[in-house]
Amino acid sequence: AQRVTQPEKLLSVFKGAPVELKCNYSYSGSPELFWYVQYSRQRLQLLLRHISRESIKGFTADLNKGETSFHLKKPFAQEEDSAMYYCALRRDPSGTYKYIFGTGTRLKVLA
Amino acid sequence: DTGVSQDPRHKITKRGQNVTFRCDPISEHNRLYWYRQTLGQGPEFLTYFQNEAQLEKSRLLSDRFSAERPKGSFSTLEIQRTEQGDSAMYLCASSFGLGNTEAFFGQGTRLTVV
Repeated sequence: AQRVTQPEKLLSVFKGAPVELKCNYSYSGSPELFWYVQYSRQRLQLLLRHISRESIKGFTADLNKGETSFHLKKPFAQEEDSAMYYCALRRDPSGTYKYIFGTGTRLKVLA
Repeated sequence: DTGVSQDPRHKITKRGQNVTFRCDPISEHNRLYWYRQTLGQGPEFLTYFQNEAQLEKSRLLSDRFSAERPKGSFSTLEIQRTEQGDSAMYLCASSFGLGNTEAFFGQGTRLTVV
């Protein structure tokens, strides 16, 4: 079965420290992976997707098919990065393009 | 705000009552999704529309749940005979076209069943 696992419910780091939010997935096909972010009192929004191989707000994520991981990284955390982060797998065996989300990791960046 | 709009934002209802939520997707988005999110969990897929056709329903969607998208624009999600376990945030999302397009989420409707 398709599944996304985010092992950490809460991650606290100090401002300026590196951040790594872990995401592992299980999927038999070729996955499409995403990170969504939810800031306080705001809606869920896309942060980045693996296919774009881009850096957004200093965050990057590399798809590692061997380890079935898509960890989110940032070299220097900022206080404004504090938010809820969700890793998501999008599958399309039948054309639905639906997302399967992990349980999320709350990132707290301490001053 | 031209994003995905959901109404109402909050709903408190007594157990056994019926409730209906509305979602207005971004204009011309042909795909529409409903998700449910409970405390400490990520969004869980409920159902999906492409235009007016409901193409997939999760096993989470019991007989008490029904969703429609009559003209391929806005969508409604109805819950009949609500139970306390239905208390959750109900999220709507929409996306456009083919291939690798992102889904845009609404702010959700928070349902509390008392």
